[in-house]
Amino acid sequence: EVMLVESGGGLVKPGGSLKLSCAASGFTFSSYAMSWVRQTPEKRLEWVATISSGGSYTYYPDSVKGRFTISRDNAKNTLYLQMSSLRSEDTAMYYCARQGGGDAMDYWGQGTSVTVSS
Amino acid sequence: DIQMTQSPASLSASVGETVTITCRASENIYSYLAWYQQKQGKSPQLLVYNAKTLAEGVPSRFSGSGSGTQFSLKINSLQPEDFGSYYCQHHYGTPFTFGSGTKLEIK
Repeated sequence: EVMLVESGGGLVKPGGSLKLSCAASGFTFSSYAMSWVRQTPEKRLEWVATISSGGSYTYYPDSVKGRFTISRDNAKNTLYLQMSSLRSEDTAMYYCARQGGGDAMDYWGQGTSVTVSS
Repeated sequence: DIQMTQSPASLSASVGETVTITCRASENIYSYLAWYQQKQGKSPQLLVYNAKTLAEGVPSRFSGSGSGTQFSLKINSLQPEDFGSYYCQHHYGTPFTFGSGTKLEIK
């Protein structure tokens, strides 16, 4: 069974940093690209970052480029999202997701909540 | 960036009815369109990818269609477990973008 379990969320002040983790199991982690997607309090879904299966290529939207860094450790079957210079608009539930057929996100974790507030 | 416009924003229907949700892309995305279902308090689940391919385990009452810029998700004979929110997303390369969602409620 494919499982993705996120952790590391919490309350952080504006300008602060936070590192999220996503532990993967039930599939060959090193064979799949992975992504982070967030859902705002208004329930809007926003793509945050994608990393290739081997970790060589990373992709970000302009809204987080230069502030967020996606990485992975294929030996530990774990995906990461390092977030810095956090803003109130980064407040959201953060999900990790596997890129499956055609690059659609075929499995999602349960999410970890990030709140940016003073 | 490709904009995804989804409609309606909300929909009220009864068990057994058939409903259709539409999604329009701001430019040609060929068939790179996915649909997700999200139930209250849960993470999104993939229903359809490549516009019309059902994800594993998805009931056949769900069907996707369309190509280019116009897409739709049809749910035949609504079941109680189908109520929730639905989102479209293009997967024609980054930046991936999502529609604003359709909330399907019980009438």
